[in-house]
Amino acid sequence: GAVVSQHPSWVICKSGTSVKIECRSLDFQATTMFWYRQFPKQSLMLMATSNEGSKATYEQGVEKDKFLINHASLTLSTLTVTSAHPEDSSFYICSARVLAGFHNEQFFGPGTRLTVL
Amino acid sequence: AQSVTQPDIHITVSEGASLELRCNYSYGATPYLFWYVQSPGQGLQLLLKYFSGDTLVQGIKGFEAEFKRSQSSFNLRKPSVHWSDAAEYFCAVGAGSNFGNEKLTFGTGTRLTIIP
Repeated sequence: GAVVSQHPSWVICKSGTSVKIECRSLDFQATTMFWYRQFPKQSLMLMATSNEGSKATYEQGVEKDKFLINHASLTLSTLTVTSAHPEDSSFYICSARVLAGFHNEQFFGPGTRLTVL
Repeated sequence: AQSVTQPDIHITVSEGASLELRCNYSYGATPYLFWYVQSPGQGLQLLLKYFSGDTLVQGIKGFEAEFKRSQSSFNLRKPSVHWSDAAEYFCAVGAGSNFGNEKLTFGTGTRLTIIP
């Protein structure tokens, strides 16, 4: 149980185009999903927290207009990188939160490798 | 704000030897602590977690970790490593109330190499 998928697993795009990444919780409902980015050989940095039916909360320094997040259902959140540039190339990972008793756990997707040419 | 320090960037261990990966955290309240493993190009898999209770927690794949409040540490251990354990290991601390918007802060990771 608690499986999270991401699509696509990798994408290459031209500079200036937009790219959409999907994050789905396959066997559970996730009221909250998180988006992280990871540069090579570095840790995960939280970009934003996505709550179903409401606007995402972005971390300091993350451009809201560049990284559009939509969480329209309890099983799907999308991250759209608008007008992508080479510096946006990274590994993007989502996680979905499951309420477990009094604590909550995050289950991570396999990640999406974005390369902007 | 919470933070996590993993002092060892890279560790090399012989197959069959014991392993300890260090993790120190900074957080004002009782922390929620996690260890994740990441294979190359993959997402993260939860090895174990500590919320409360017994300070020695058992995880998957034969891993265990011990929470030491006095040392602000949550070190990961395995008595005998296997070649398949080669990966990147991340320690993380979760902040927020029980039903709050719990964010995870990750350490910089420790890359584990296994030699025959």
